[in-house]
Amino acid sequence: AQSVAQPEDQVNVAEGNPLTVKCTYSVSGNPYLFWYVQYPNRGLQFLLKYITGDNLVKGSYGFEAEFNKSQTSFHLKKPSALVSDSALYFCAVRGTSGTYKYIFGTGTRLKVLA
Amino acid sequence: DAGITQSPRHKVTETGTPVTLRCHQTENHRYMYWYRQDPGHGLRLIHYSYGVKDTDKGEVSDGYSVSRSKTEDFLLTLESATSSQTSVYFCAISLGVGGSGANVLTFGAGSRLTVL
Repeated sequence: AQSVAQPEDQVNVAEGNPLTVKCTYSVSGNPYLFWYVQYPNRGLQFLLKYITGDNLVKGSYGFEAEFNKSQTSFHLKKPSALVSDSALYFCAVRGTSGTYKYIFGTGTRLKVLA
Repeated sequence: DAGITQSPRHKVTETGTPVTLRCHQTENHRYMYWYRQDPGHGLRLIHYSYGVKDTDKGEVSDGYSVSRSKTEDFLLTLESATSSQTSVYFCAISLGVGGSGANVLTFGAGSRLTVL
């Protein structure tokens, strides 16, 4: 069965500092991995994805994520946080062995302090 | 933005009544999904569809049924609503393979359901 773990309910970071939001996954076969963001009272927006190729993927708003197969992780990173990055972040996984189910984590609330 | 519309956007109902939420897309995407979002649980997959009349269960399918009689519409039905089904429900669509948006889920705006 597929699963995603986001071990931190909340991450606080000062504006201008680098940020990391953690995600680990479990899936049969090779994973497709995704990050989504939800701003207050808004829907979910796609940030970035890993399908194949380079382990470091770049996405919207300066975010990037690193796929680590041995650690089954896909942590979201940004070199310099902005107050406007404050939002709820979701990691998701989809297996590639005959399924089109996308399983999400419980979410991590990022708070960037001015 | 992808053409995906959820209706109703807000609904208050009583325990034991049936409720149907509708997801309508204009993108001709093959895959459609229903999720519920609850504090502390994140997004949980209820059911999904991989084509007309083709559906499968997700993580939390008990108490829910779905139907997809045409490509553009995916209905989620609560046969007899309970207070535990109070939630925000999101529909999502995916093209599947091919194209720059391949495998990416695009979400609707959500439907807030309150069961009293």
